[in-house]
Amino acid sequence: SQELEQSPQSLIVQEGKNLTINCTSSKTLYGLYWYKQKYGEGLIFLMMLQKGGEEKSHEKITAKLDEKKQQSSLHITASQPSHAGIYLCGAMNQAGTALIFGKGTTLSVSS
Amino acid sequence: DVKVTQSSRYLVKRTGEKVFLECVQDMDHENMFWYRQDPGLGLRLIYFSYDVKMKEKGDIPEGYSVSREKKERFSLILESASTNQTSMYLCASSSHPTVTNYGYTFGSGTRLTVV
Repeated sequence: SQELEQSPQSLIVQEGKNLTINCTSSKTLYGLYWYKQKYGEGLIFLMMLQKGGEEKSHEKITAKLDEKKQQSSLHITASQPSHAGIYLCGAMNQAGTALIFGKGTTLSVSS
Repeated sequence: DVKVTQSSRYLVKRTGEKVFLECVQDMDHENMFWYRQDPGLGLRLIYFSYDVKMKEKGDIPEGYSVSREKKERFSLILESASTNQTSMYLCASSSHPTVTNYGYTFGSGTRLTVV
């Protein structure tokens, strides 16, 4: 079955620093979703990447899809305390019936 | 603002009780999903539904059932709650079963504790 592996599992960065979170799939990716979750709450949709080489940005968050490597990266520029939370990547399962998710990356931003 | 609403944020139930978790969406979405989220295991799909009265098993359906009598409502039922069902339960909906530019819309979650 397809699996999504996220790295790192957690990270702490100082406010203003840049950071990157990676998501690697065990199977070919036909689309990749990024979500953010605040502790104890639901998931908020950030962006979706569908084509190899595609790059999207939302405020200071940029995500890129590299289909050849079956990988996506999420980059945050000049991190702020509001960026803190859990970032999850998601992709359609092999049966094409529902999204599966990575285990998440917990981001803490210290001021 | 479009919404997926889960009826309870926190719930404490006793072992053996029958538990109902309710989820309502106001977006006229056909597709609804139930996940549970546990530390170290991430989100795991329990059940999903593409239409009224339709249901499909996800990856971990054991110990759960669902009901979809109306398009906007998808209920998760724990027939006889057990302590290993203590978890965060997340409901989601989408306008398309597979590829969608906007992903799923999630509810705020129900943190269920079974004692």
